[in-house]
Order: sequence, then structure tokens, then C-alpha cells
Amino acid sequence: DIQMTQSPSSLSASIGDRVTITCRASQSISNYLNWYQQKPGKAPKLLVYAASNSQSGVPSRFSGSGSGTDFTLTISSLQPDDFATYYCQQSYSTPLAYTFGQGTKLEIK
Amino acid sequence: QVQLVESGGGVVQPGRSLRLSCAASGFIFSSYGMHWVRQAPGKGLEWVASISSDGSNKYYVDSVKGRFTISRDNSKNTLYLQMNSLRAEDTAVYYCAKELGLAGIVWDYWGQGTLVTVSS
Repeated sequence: DIQMTQSPSSLSASIGDRVTITCRASQSISNYLNWYQQKPGKAPKLLVYAASNSQSGVPSRFSGSGSGTDFTLTISSLQPDDFATYYCQQSYSTPLAYTFGQGTKLEIK
Repeated sequence: QVQLVESGGGVVQPGRSLRLSCAASGFIFSSYGMHWVRQAPGKGLEWVASISSDGSNKYYVDSVKGRFTISRDNSKNTLYLQMNSLRAEDTAVYYCAKELGLAGIVWDYWGQGTLVTVSS
């Protein structure tokens, strides 16, 4: 199975900061990489799909990049609503196993 | 607006069965693949099972193969997950999720989740 590794596992940042979260795949997954945001007690929310495509309605401060094995999610200027846990997810692997990264918890500094 | 509403969770003893349902509305249910994703308490997300739009193709994570069955009734706009031989490690919030329909398997809408607790 393809393993997804996110870094860092947790991150403290301030309002207005630029934040980058990294996701690395154990083998090439082309651009089959998605990013989700999850707040406590809530379902995940899709932010970015196919590595760099922003989901409709997602603020423009969220952007994704990368291909192959290395991907990033960038938040250009942190807002109070952005403190949450972020997950990457690959949808490339065969046999089917749509694995997630372990998550990155973004906390207020 | 798209809505996915799960039901059927609860407390169940190890070895017993439970059936989850996910009622869908606000989109053409029969046109989209659907999925179950779970999250153990305090842990990350894990894909569990998938079913194609017409129900002809089904896929499972290895840990539930032979125990869980995903199905759908397109006439009722409802997705199901039959869970047999439940184990303590199946304890989790179970979410149903709709495929975006683009760029591989991407989940654009999720239900609120239903908690399954396997305990004696």
C-alpha cells in the first residue's frame, strides 16, 4: 500500500502567518492528492483536489501544489477559522486503498 | 443543497452485527459513487468501503473484507453498510461521503457521522 506521511504532525501559528503543510507519498501518485480540513466533532471538508484545484467555495488563501511524491498545502494568511486538523489523501493506488496522511493539527500560538 | 444523513450507529457487543444507513438528497444519487470512511476516537481518517454508482463494483479495506458489505438502493437514495462480526477495533465514527466525480476518488460532501461502539 502507498503510505502518506504529513509534516509537521502539529504546528502552532499566529493570525496572519503563512503556513505550509507537507505530504509525502511512498511512491509516485501523479497528482492524485486531495486535502481536507476537519474541526473537532465535525466531518472533514474538501479544500483542494487533484493536488492544486481549489474546491468551490473555499477561500483563496488555501492553495495546493506538487506532483509525484511531494505535495504542499499553503495557507497564505491564517484566519481564526483555520485552526483545525488537515489531512492529505491519495486516490492513486491499486489495489484500492485510499489512504490518508496522519493529519496535521494547526493550533493558535 | 446536498445532504447526507447517517443513522444506525450505537453500542454493540463484539461478534454482533449492525447496519448503517445514509440517506442522500440534493443531488442525483444514482450518478455518483459513494463511500464509507471511519475515524476511531482521537485517531485519523480511514477509508472503509466504496460502491460504484450502479452498485456493480464494490471495494473494501483489507481489515473489513468478508465482514462488511456496502450496498445501495438508488430508488430510495440510500447507502448502506452491513457490519458483521464486529470487533473492538471497529469502534469509530462512520461517515458516508459522496464522490466529486472528477480527478480520481475525491469526497466533496460528507455526512455528520454516526458513532459505532463495539464493547462488551
